[in-house]
Amino acid sequence: AQSVAQPEDQVNVAEGNPLTVKCTYSVSGNPYLFWYVQYPNRGLQFLLKYITGDNLVKGSYGFEAEFNKSQTSFHLKKPSALVSDSALYFCAVRDIGGKFQFGAGTQVVVTP
Amino acid sequence: EAGVVQSPRYKIIEKKQPVAFWCNPISGHNTLYWYRQNLGQGPELLIRYENEEAVDDSQLPKDRFSAERLKGVDSTLKIQPAELGDSAVYLCASSLQGGNTIYFGEGSWLTVV
Repeated sequence: AQSVAQPEDQVNVAEGNPLTVKCTYSVSGNPYLFWYVQYPNRGLQFLLKYITGDNLVKGSYGFEAEFNKSQTSFHLKKPSALVSDSALYFCAVRDIGGKFQFGAGTQVVVTP
Repeated sequence: EAGVVQSPRYKIIEKKQPVAFWCNPISGHNTLYWYRQNLGQGPELLIRYENEEAVDDSQLPKDRFSAERLKGVDSTLKIQPAELGDSAVYLCASSLQGGNTIYFGEGSWLTVV
């Protein structure tokens, strides 16, 4: 069975500092990995995905994520955080049958 | 292009009452999902459709929950009767058949009192 772990309930960072949100996964076969962001009272918005190819994936709003097969990780990063990046971030893995498994989410708080 | 449309956005009902949520997926998306998201948690799949067929409903509490997608386009999720523990956000999502990315609607926020 596939699973996703987001080890941090909350990440606090000052505006302008680099932001990292951690994600590890477990899946049979090649992983399809995703990051979504959820703002208050909104649905989930797609940020980026890794299917194959370059381990560094670039996505929306300046975010990127690095796929590390040996560590089974897919951490989300942003070089310089903005206050508007404060939101709930979800990592997800998709299995070959098309089923998605979401992590519990990490609340990001960016302070001015 | 319109995204996934859900209604109503917010609903407050008394326990034991019925409630229904509607979803219209992105045009051309054959796969439709209903997820439930409890406060502070990630979405959990309730049911997945490929066109009209429910291909995964293993997590749908069938004693009180039902869903349909009669023409393979829009879908309705019903709860009858609602319980206090059903208070959550019900998210609809869609993707191309076999697609790698799912796109979510804004959600239907249910409060059962």
